[in-house]
Amino acid sequence: EDQVTQSPEALRLQEGESSSLNCSYTVSGLRGLFWYRQDPGKGPEFLFTLYSAGEEKEKERLKATLTKKESFLHITAPKPEDSATYLCAVQTNGGSQGNLIFGKGTKLSVKP
Amino acid sequence: GAVVSQHPSRVICKSGTSVKIECRSLDFQATTMFWYRQFPKQSLMLMATSNEGSKATYEQGVEKDKFLINHASLTLSTLTVTSAHPEDSSFYICSAFRTSGGIKETQYFGPGTRLLVL
Repeated sequence: EDQVTQSPEALRLQEGESSSLNCSYTVSGLRGLFWYRQDPGKGPEFLFTLYSAGEEKEKERLKATLTKKESFLHITAPKPEDSATYLCAVQTNGGSQGNLIFGKGTKLSVKP
Repeated sequence: GAVVSQHPSRVICKSGTSVKIECRSLDFQATTMFWYRQFPKQSLMLMATSNEGSKATYEQGVEKDKFLINHASLTLSTLTVTSAHPEDSSFYICSAFRTSGGIKETQYFGPGTRLLVL
């Protein structure tokens, strides 16, 4: 069964304290891995798509990496405005186009 | 800027009434849109795939007669929750794929609709 697991469930950081969020996946065939940011009461905001092992993408303080089993979202020198829930989702080769399998998310809190 | 919009953002209704939620793709055409539901502290769960000009495809366990989907145009899909009950209270989110470069696709989500059934 295709599965996506995110860890930790919650992460508290001090402003400027770098860390990483993990997304491990078990799927029959990976078509793409997506990272989203979701603020309370809002829809997910697209961050990155990764397609193959070894691929990396960066956006401001965020950097996403992908291996054959997991993806990391690295946050460098986070700021309070980075506080949100970060969602990881995978799209499989065998699934329908829209069938993203989501992890439960990591709730990030950055204190000033 | 936003590429997918939803309306309304929040709705409160009485039990037994029907509620319609609109999802629009902005500046691009989407032959396929998707409807998700998210309960508190839970992840998004795909409810159905909305196909322009044809019937929607529902995920297992989702009642098609309760959650009516209409994809009337290439930029608009609607979800109607019929005879809503308190257990239907949730956060409903739509999404659409936007193709870039002909190959790579990104699924963009709407801002969500909070439904509360009293």
